[in-house]
Amino acid sequence: DAKTTQPNSMESNEEEPVHLPCNHSTISGTDYIHWYRQLPSQGPEYVIHGLTSNVNNRMASLAIAEDRKSSTLILHRATLRDAAVYYCILREGNYGGSQGNLIFGKGTKLSVKP
Amino acid sequence: NAGVTQTPKFQVLKTGQSMTLQCAQDMNHNSMYWYRQDPGMGLRLIYYSASEGTTDKGEVPNGYNVSRLNKREFSLRLESAAPSQTSVYFCASRKGGQGWNYGYTFGSGTRLTVV
Repeated sequence: DAKTTQPNSMESNEEEPVHLPCNHSTISGTDYIHWYRQLPSQGPEYVIHGLTSNVNNRMASLAIAEDRKSSTLILHRATLRDAAVYYCILREGNYGGSQGNLIFGKGTKLSVKP
Repeated sequence: NAGVTQTPKFQVLKTGQSMTLQCAQDMNHNSMYWYRQDPGMGLRLIYYSASEGTTDKGEVPNGYNVSRLNKREFSLRLESAAPSQTSVYFCASRKGGQGWNYGYTFGSGTRLTVV
């Protein structure tokens, strides 16, 4: 499975933008980049995913490097509720069997200061 | 719309006891998953069911069995619990099939302690 590298932890101030980096130098052409987050004592929550182009949704934006070897999850205005562990995951694009299962790393623990 | 429901939320077992963790989803999803999460770690896949009637092993299947009872329900059984199985267990589902790239929906977890 293609692996990702994320910083163990990051800090942000409330109402400021947050850029969470992820390196995935061994990404293959069919791998989608997924982001999930896990709030304290809860199950993971889907945030966003993309393949090649930058993506936006109501929760966040995903910026993907042109060579696809890195990506950045952008929270435009951090709130205290955004304090969580953020997981960057590569998921194979081929359907069937074990392909496409989410493989979690340790993620980045984001702390948000008031 | 409840999403993914797991029962029980908490459980304490003695070594050697058996139990079944229940999971149900009401989103008409095809695929369902069981993960475990140990303290300070990411989630690890135990078993999954790509569609009703099929189950497959994940990364850490030893000591567990699963049953895909119907499209809605996917249970995880510990036949003889061991302290190493103390963990938080998460069930998840996704649309699957031709919608294979849809996001996963997770339950809120079952905290299991084996003493």
